[in-house]
Amino acid sequence: GNSVTQMEGPVTLSEEAFLTINCTYTATGYPSLFWYVQYPGEGLQLLLKATKADDKGSNKGFEATYRKETTSFHLEKGSVQVSDSAVYFCALSPIQGAQKLVFGQGTRLTINP
Amino acid sequence: EPEVTQTPSHQVTQMGQEVILRCVPISNHLYFYWYRQILGQKVEFLVSFYNNEISEKSEIFDDQFSVERPDGSNFTLKIRSTKLEDSAMYFCASSERRAAETQYFGPGTRLLVL
Repeated sequence: GNSVTQMEGPVTLSEEAFLTINCTYTATGYPSLFWYVQYPGEGLQLLLKATKADDKGSNKGFEATYRKETTSFHLEKGSVQVSDSAVYFCALSPIQGAQKLVFGQGTRLTINP
Repeated sequence: EPEVTQTPSHQVTQMGQEVILRCVPISNHLYFYWYRQILGQKVEFLVSFYNNEISEKSEIFDDQFSVERPDGSNFTLKIRSTKLEDSAMYFCASSERRAAETQYFGPGTRLLVL
């Protein structure tokens, strides 16, 4: 079946630190991969996506590369800000017919000034 | 910027009561979805809807659940007889095309069943 596993949270960092949130997936075929972010009191917002192997998604200083060989889509940012504090969700969309997103459990990130 | 809206933001109900959660998807989108997130757990897919019919549903989406697009703008999720375990955050989403395209999420409705 299809599943997504994220690193356990919560994660607490200082401002300007380097961020990595690990995400690995299990899927048949070649899914599309997504990172969604949920700021306090808000809905899920798409942060970035990649639709095929070796694609790199990027947005707001965040990056993630679709690695087929390691079935991973780790989220990185070189220098985090307090405003990046949120819950981050990795998700996949199976290519074969299904229309649903399969989510990881979410990682809560807190950035201290 | 167009966005998905949901009402109410919070709903408290008694076990066994019916609830209707409402969503207004982005106007030119064709695919609509409901997801839920029980506190502390993953966001789970419930159902997808296209061309006025359910296109896929999960095992969670049993006979107690139904969806409807009663007019050109609203998309509703009805739970006929709520159970304690239905307490969760319910998210509506829409996409212009299939799920490989970006799904845009609403802010959610927090449902508490007492």
